[in-house]
Amino acid sequence: AQSVAQPEDQVNVAEGNPLTVKCTYSVSGNPYLFWYVQYPNRGLQFLLKYITGDNLVKGSYGFEAEFNKSQTSFHLKKPSALVSDSALYFCAVRDLSGYSTLTFGKGTMLLVSP
Amino acid sequence: DAGITQSPRHKVTETGTPVTLRCHQTENHRYMYWYRQDPGHGLRLIHYSYGVKDTDKGEVSDGYSVSRSKTEDFLLTLESATSSQTSVYFCAISETADRNEQFFGPGTRLTVL
Repeated sequence: AQSVAQPEDQVNVAEGNPLTVKCTYSVSGNPYLFWYVQYPNRGLQFLLKYITGDNLVKGSYGFEAEFNKSQTSFHLKKPSALVSDSALYFCAVRDLSGYSTLTFGKGTMLLVSP
Repeated sequence: DAGITQSPRHKVTETGTPVTLRCHQTENHRYMYWYRQDPGHGLRLIHYSYGVKDTDKGEVSDGYSVSRSKTEDFLLTLESATSSQTSVYFCAISETADRNEQFFGPGTRLTVL
């Protein structure tokens, strides 16, 4: 079975500082990995994905994520946080072996203070 | 929200009543999904569809049924609503089941009293 862990319920960072939102996963084969963001009272918006190739993936709004196979991690990063980045972030994984659907983590609330 | 609408956006109902939520897409995507979002649980898959009249169960399907008679519409029915089904329900679509990202609708907030 596939699973995703987001070990932090909340991450606090000051505006202008770098931010990291952590995600680790478990699959039996190779993974497809995704990050989504949810603003209050809105649906989820796609940020970026790792399918294959370069381990550093760049996405929307200046976010990037690094795929680390040995550590089974896919942490979301941004060099300089904005107050407007404050939102709920979800990591998701799909196992390439066999047919499976997307499994989401429980989410991490990012709060960026001015 | 990528050509996805959900109706109603808010609903309050009473225990034991049937409820149907509708998801409508204009993207002509093959795959459609219903999730529920609850604090501490993230998003959990209820049912999904991989084509007209083709559906399958997700992680939390008990108490829910779905139907897809047209590519653009995916209905979620709570046969007899219970308070544990109070949640925010999201519909999502994708072109393929593997490498393509899912696009989400705006959600339906359902309260079962």
